[in-house]
Formats: sequence, C-alpha cells, structure tokens
Amino acid sequence: DAGVIQSPRHEVTEMGQEVTLRCKPISGHNSLFWYRQTMMRGLELLIYFNNNVPIDDSGMPEDRFSAKMPNASFSTLKIQPSEPRDSAVYFCASSLGTFRTNEKLFFGSGTQLSVL
Amino acid sequence: TQLLEQSPQFLSIQEGENLTVYCNSSSVFSSLQWYRQEPGEGPVLLVTVVTGGEVKKLKRLTFQFGDARKDSSLHITAAQPGDTGLYLCAGPSGGYNKLIFGAGTRLAVHP
Repeated sequence: DAGVIQSPRHEVTEMGQEVTLRCKPISGHNSLFWYRQTMMRGLELLIYFNNNVPIDDSGMPEDRFSAKMPNASFSTLKIQPSEPRDSAVYFCASSLGTFRTNEKLFFGSGTQLSVL
Repeated sequence: TQLLEQSPQFLSIQEGENLTVYCNSSSVFSSLQWYRQEPGEGPVLLVTVVTGGEVKKLKRLTFQFGDARKDSSLHITAAQPGDTGLYLCAGPSGGYNKLIFGAGTRLAVHP
C-alpha cells in the first residue's frame, strides 16, 4: 500500500488567498484525521471523520477553515482566506478503527504551508 | 480535558549515551502510544503500551507504562545518530475515537 498521500508537499501563498490541501487515506481505513503542527502548539487535532462523516470539528480554529470527505478515498482541508498565522505543517492521518482496540495512526508526509 | 506533558522539551547528547524521556498526565489512559517523527515526515508508531506496569523493548528502546496508567517513559540505551528525531506520546480521547498528542521531546544525537 502507498500509505497516506498528501498534496501538495509545499504551498506558498499570499495572505487572503484560498488554500486547498488534499489527502488520500489508506484504502480500507474508516477514520481520517487532520492535524496541524507548529513549534509553539505541537500537533493539534483539527477535525476527524468516521466513515466519511465529520464527527468532531472542535479543533478547527475558525470559520475560515473547512474540511470535506466526499468519499472514502479523498478529503480536503480548505482555508479561505488564509492568514500568516495559518503557516504550519498540516498532516492527514488515517486509522482502521477506534483507539479502544489500540489501533494506530498512519500519517502522510504533510503539507508545509507558508502564508506570506 | 486530558493533557499529555512531555519532558524534557529538548535533549542534545553524544553518541553512546543513555537517556530517558517522560510523558505525564493527571488523567488515566487506557493505553499510550509512542511515535517518532523525522524531519519532513509524519510521525511513525514505535509502540503501544496497554497494561499498567508494562515494559516493552524495541532493540535499544525500552518503554514503560506507569502502574496507575497516567505516565510513560522511553529509555534509549547507547543512543545512535539515527535515533535523532521528535518523540511524541499519544493517548486515546473523545470516547476512544481520536488521539491526543504531547508536545514532544526533540532529541539530537551527535556523532
């Protein structure tokens, strides 16, 4: 299996522009997670989906952020309009089931976002 | 709110030294996981500890889960430059549906 695939690997944009990050989870995995990583705040969970349905978006910073999962093999995280404080590494991860049975997270390589 | 605190934040050592990093919480966790993250990549799972007092070994890495299941430690024997990276602990939350992470320990092992 190719693992979790994220695109693009790097994104540089100007403040106010729309940014779309993409993720393809591992085939057969039921849960998909979007995390953001910064030096100051570490790895923060933004939102997660179970069977393509958003379950918990309490980590989404504000209305400028939105996420969709139209099918089991694709998810997007959109920031509109982007701001310099959104600069971070955004990770997508997937898992086979819940963590009650000690499932593990498989992470993509991340998207390094820089908003100028 | 469940929180995981890791210490130290940074550790810089010479090849061959031993080290221990810690993951602590005031909450009880059913299990804890340790991940290692290398520059430019996502975290990769090293181990899951499930039972209070459990000790697991992965070559030169020894993981322990506290008896009360509120803390865990990672001990590395004779560290190698290849051990360099960010070590993250994580625990289930939100009805076991999500993982929360500590801030991590950034380890640098110098030749």
